[in-house]
Amino acid sequence: RKEVEQDPGPFNVPEGATVAFNCTYSNSASQSFFWYRQDCRKEPKLLMSVYSSGNEDGRFTAQLNRASQYISLLIRDSKLSDSATYLCVVRGAGSYQLTFGKGTKLSVIP
Amino acid sequence: EAGVTQFPSHSVIEKGQTVTLRCDPISGHDNLYWYRRVMGKEIKFLLHFVKESKQDESGMPNNRFLAERTGGTYSTLKVQPAELEDSGVYFCASSQETGSIYEQYFGPGTRLTVT
Repeated sequence: RKEVEQDPGPFNVPEGATVAFNCTYSNSASQSFFWYRQDCRKEPKLLMSVYSSGNEDGRFTAQLNRASQYISLLIRDSKLSDSATYLCVVRGAGSYQLTFGKGTKLSVIP
Repeated sequence: EAGVTQFPSHSVIEKGQTVTLRCDPISGHDNLYWYRRVMGKEIKFLLHFVKESKQDESGMPNNRFLAERTGGTYSTLKVQPAELEDSGVYFCASSQETGSIYEQYFGPGTRLTVT
């Protein structure tokens, strides 16, 4: 079983749609959780840290369920500029190293 | 504030040659990390420096890879001798130690092609 698993997509959605990404992680001792976005041939850029209580940043909402070892990202009112690969990322206990999922590709279509 | 910078952006070398990648972290970030993405795979951790000390090098694939961070500022990653399977994108990231989240910020990467 992979440490961080994501649906690879691609997700093709029209502008204005709501899209949800899911991610599961295998290490129950994981400490920190993040969503990064990566544009084609660019570096991963931190989108949001994910807190236990859930958090929102504009059109983006992240949720964490520690009991189910599940993380989600919801994007509302999708924009063309949201087209990218979304990476679910986890940091384990006692370690600074990040473990990445393979990413979910999103294409927002006019 | 300047972000993480990496040099070169691209490198094409022949099998058996040596390549040195450089990373300059965000100013004031004591933590520096190297990651690698090979084609079709997820990004994988290589190692972590705190200032000039190697904190965790559990992800280094073999002894052909040597990372240094003399003086605790920029870091270099040397591959000697390079093999075909070393091809990929090498990312550097840095973080400061605040709270418990340790958000890491990535540089643009060095795309290494070994032929």
